[in-house]
Amino acid sequence: DAKTTQPPSMDCAEGRAANLPCNHSTISGNEYVYWYRQIHSQGPQYIIHGLKNNETNEMASLIITEDRKSSTLILPHATLRDTAVYYCIVRPSPSSNTGKLIFGQGTTLQVKP
Amino acid sequence: GAGVSQTPSNKVTEKGKYVELRCDPISGHTALYWYRQSLGQGPEFLIYFQGTGAADDSGLPNDRFFAVRPEGSVSTLKIQRTERGDSAVYLCASSLVGWDGYTFGSGTRLTVV
Repeated sequence: DAKTTQPPSMDCAEGRAANLPCNHSTISGNEYVYWYRQIHSQGPQYIIHGLKNNETNEMASLIITEDRKSSTLILPHATLRDTAVYYCIVRPSPSSNTGKLIFGQGTTLQVKP
Repeated sequence: GAGVSQTPSNKVTEKGKYVELRCDPISGHTALYWYRQSLGQGPEFLIYFQGTGAADDSGLPNDRFFAVRPEGSVSTLKIQRTERGDSAVYLCASSLVGWDGYTFGSGTRLTVV
């Protein structure tokens, strides 16, 4: 499985955009980029995923570079409730049936008032 | 139910004892996953079920760990001869095949004393 590299921690001011980077320089052509987050004492929560085009949903936007070696998760208006550990994961497409996600250490995002 | 339910939420057991952890996935989700999370670490994959069968059990650490899903719904993770190193939060997740938005439960915190 391709590995990802994320900064261990980041701060963001409440109401500002939070931009969380992820490097995945060994990503393969059929591998997607997924983001999950884990709020304290809860299970991880799915946020978004993409292959090569930028994606947006009600939670966040995902920007993937043209060479696919890195991506950025954007929370457009961070709130205190967005304080969590954010995990960037790469794996084959959903239809590949390989199942497992490999979590790294993630980035601890602290949103401050 | 609306989400993935795990019981018990907390379990304290003595070293050497046998424990069972239960996971009730979202109704209709054919894929079910078990992960284990130690303090300060990301979740670690244990086993993945597709229906009743274990499609990938490569993450089970040793033969003291076993999981079943006899009717393709509820799953039980079984740990024999527990050791203090087994102390962790055990997470369960489920998903529809072909769509990768895993839904995780809140986990069972296992403490072996």
